[in-house]
Amino acid sequence: GQSLEQPSEVTAVEGAIVQINCTYQTSGFYGLSWYQQHDGGAPTFLSYNALDGLEETGRFSSFLSRSDSYGYLLLQELQMKDSASYFCAVWRGYNKLIFGAGTRLAVHP
Amino acid sequence: DAMVIQNPRYQVTQFGKPVTLSCSQTLNHNVMYWYQQKSSQAPKLLFHYYDKDFNNEADTPDNFQSRRPNTSFCFLDIRSPGLGDAAMYLCATSNGLGANVLTFGAGSRLTVL
Repeated sequence: GQSLEQPSEVTAVEGAIVQINCTYQTSGFYGLSWYQQHDGGAPTFLSYNALDGLEETGRFSSFLSRSDSYGYLLLQELQMKDSASYFCAVWRGYNKLIFGAGTRLAVHP
Repeated sequence: DAMVIQNPRYQVTQFGKPVTLSCSQTLNHNVMYWYQQKSSQAPKLLFHYYDKDFNNEADTPDNFQSRRPNTSFCFLDIRSPGLGDAAMYLCATSNGLGANVLTFGAGSRLTVL
């Protein structure tokens, strides 16, 4: 089986930096992905880590430590539009993406 | 633009009345997925197709079936919807060349009366 744990809610102010952690247990690990989902919308891809280390894409960065079964998503220079749910997800094999329960981020002025 | 299109966006059905949701893609992706997402929960994988190979998740109820007549289309059939099946159903695709990006459709929201 598999399990993913991430905080249920995070609150931050505009311009701040927030880190959303994710720990996982799974067999056949092929990588960790992060998706953003606004209320009523579809999940959209943010990042993918197959190897240990940091991946940076604009204001968003994602980190993976396979030995610790741990990753995080770092959001910098927060904007109001970043208020959304953020899901970590593990690839179990090449073609199965399993989602965590999601972290609801609220950004305040 | 290449995309994943789901129809209908909103579906209301009665308890026990069969429902079919459709998904089409212009990405020419090998893999198509169906996820179920209930309010404030994670998307839950129901099954996926790699080309014509069907892969069912062990905990997907028999009430849920799927068809993929060609590369572009995939259907989700709910044979006898119950109140617990009310959810957003998300279709997604990937190129099947390794774990990477899923492209999601906008979803079909199912209400069961």
